[in-house]
Amino acid sequence: DTAVSQTPKYLVTQMGNDKSIKCEQNLGHDTMYWYKQDSKKFLKIMFSYNNKELIINETVPNRFSPKSPDKAHLNLHINSLELGDSAVYFCASSQQLSQETQYFGPGTRLLVL
Amino acid sequence: GDSVTQMEGPVTLSEEAFLTINCTYTATGYPSLFWYVQYPGEGLQLLLKATKADDKGSNKGFEATYRKETTSFHLEKGSVQVSDSAVYFCALSGNTPLVFGKGTRLSVIA
Repeated sequence: DTAVSQTPKYLVTQMGNDKSIKCEQNLGHDTMYWYKQDSKKFLKIMFSYNNKELIINETVPNRFSPKSPDKAHLNLHINSLELGDSAVYFCASSQQLSQETQYFGPGTRLLVL
Repeated sequence: GDSVTQMEGPVTLSEEAFLTINCTYTATGYPSLFWYVQYPGEGLQLLLKATKADDKGSNKGFEATYRKETTSFHLEKGSVQVSDSAVYFCALSGNTPLVFGKGTRLSVIA
């Protein structure tokens, strides 16, 4: 059983399009995250939700909009995709916001052409 | 704010060599410390963790000791294998979610 799952695994799209990435966790965790990993493997947190409420919103273009319909799901919608959005996006979850192990999904590899 | 500094890679070792990846941190209070590993094409996995000073985390032959006096959490393994080739991330969590280092790529050659 996959603890944190993401779909799709790969996403290739044209500049200007709108796309969504879905994330689900079956660990019963209260907190979920989105990270962006660039080509140099640097990880940057984008958003964090705790019990469906937005807790962390780092400096991310407002073209990126997270949505949490329930505690087990955190989706990421991206409008007007740009070349610089090409990266690997990871979803993660943890029981609480701090001092906790985070469990990561397998990643979504986004390529914007 | 909290930060993590880890040695830059890439690190290339022969099979059965000794591995050390240095990690130091800056944080207020008493954070938990973590090492995560990312194998090619996969997400991050927790490798080991330590939650208080002098704790030693260990897993799969890897070890790291929480050293408060030197604010360090160096990762070590006595004999690496080709299957250990991956990117290793040091991280801390205090009153905030995980803060990651920049990652160290390890390549082990037979």
